Amino acid sequence: DIVMTQSPDSLAVSLGGRATINCKSSQSVFYSSNNKNYLAWYQHKSGQPPKLLIYWASIRQSGVPDRFSGSGSGTDFSLTINNLQAEDVAVYYCQQYYSTPYSFGQGTKLEIK
Amino acid sequence: QVQLVESGGGVVQPGGSLRLSCAASGFTFSTYGIHWVRQAPGKGLEWVAFIRYDGGDIHYADSVKGRFTISRDNSKNTLYLQMNSLRAEDTAAYYCAKHSATSGSIDYWGQGTLVTVSS
Repeated sequence: DIVMTQSPDSLAVSLGGRATINCKSSQSVFYSSNNKNYLAWYQHKSGQPPKLLIYWASIRQSGVPDRFSGSGSGTDFSLTINNLQAEDVAVYYCQQYYSTPYSFGQGTKLEIK
Repeated sequence: QVQLVESGGGVVQPGGSLRLSCAASGFTFSTYGIHWVRQAPGKGLEWVAFIRYDGGDIHYADSVKGRFTISRDNSKNTLYLQMNSLRAEDTAAYYCAKHSATSGSIDYWGQGTLVTVSS
């Protein structure tokens, strides 16, 4: 099974600042036959269902502000949020969908400093 | 618009059973795979199970294998999760979530239903 590990567990960033969340998989989630990384990022606000932000490691879901960006390949990935807004306070999760079980990282709690 | 509405949650004793349902609308249910994902109180998201659009391919997390059964009725646009031999550690909010055919990830989630396993 693939284990997903996020860092840090929590972080506090000033309004307008940049937040970077890292995600590492225990084995590669890159599928060479289609050149895609099977890695997604979700935003989970309290009292709401999770929301898809990024898929294929770097493709923004429709409607997601371009302040959110994903990068990385193989086993190391990052989610970056630029120009942090108050509404970005949430827990962020990475998930691999390369193979079942489709594991999530433990989550990173993002707060405003 | 895509809607997923879970129901069937509640309080059950350890060793008991419960069946969750997820009513889907706003998309062609019979052409999409669906997941169950749960979140225990104060914990992160845990993927539980997946069923292909036609029910022909099913996968489970090791933590529920042999105890939970995912199924679907495409004529009723409804997904199910039969949960048997429930344990305290199964206490969680259970979400049904639509599989994205284009991205392979999960693109829509329900609001969740709470399952509490307690004596």
